[in-house]
Amino acid sequence: EPEVTQTPSHQVTQMGQEVILRCVPISNHLYFYWYRQILGQKVEFLVSFYNNEISEKSEIFDDQFSVERPDGSNFTLKIRSTKLEDSAMYFCASSTWGRKETQYFGPGTRLLVL
Amino acid sequence: EDQVTQSPEALRLQEGESSSLNCSYTVSGLRGLFWYRQDPGKGPEFLFTLYSAGEEKEKERLKATLTKKESFLHITAPKPEDSATYLCAVLTGGGNKLTFGTGTQLKVEL
Repeated sequence: EPEVTQTPSHQVTQMGQEVILRCVPISNHLYFYWYRQILGQKVEFLVSFYNNEISEKSEIFDDQFSVERPDGSNFTLKIRSTKLEDSAMYFCASSTWGRKETQYFGPGTRLLVL
Repeated sequence: EDQVTQSPEALRLQEGESSSLNCSYTVSGLRGLFWYRQDPGKGPEFLFTLYSAGEEKEKERLKATLTKKESFLHITAPKPEDSATYLCAVLTGGGNKLTFGTGTQLKVEL
């Protein structure tokens, strides 16, 4: 069964450093998403991406964040200058279409900013 | 602002003891309600999508129902492997973002 994959599974970084989180969405999916979950809190939407551009973003997704689909299979989230409060699980998701379709989530990357 | 509230926060059941989890929502223009299961340290695993009031979906020991204000996830004769956090999420308005509730942490004991 096709699934979303994410790398790395864990990442530890120093405050102020740049990190890139990588995702391989399900192959025939067209919409891609990033969510995050701070420990003990709810899953929060960050950004959705379709046709090589951002279709929607939350207030969390400020200028420190960017997304890219560098090739036909990968989807990345970059945090330019990490802060302590960026420590969280980051989940990538994908769906065939956006309107009503189910979003399938990857296993997540646990980011720890020291 | 869309709001999703799940109750109870935590639930402990004996194996075989059926129960229901609640997800109530206050949203404008519900386009879909999703149930996911989340194991510790893992990503949400899709269970069900419900689109309109009155709709029901079933899978093994789980059954999801939807009204205009809330959804229930019924668990019949649960087993220890059903232990997980169950998340409810809504898709609303014109965008594609899911708004999640805080989840119900279910533990099923022998």
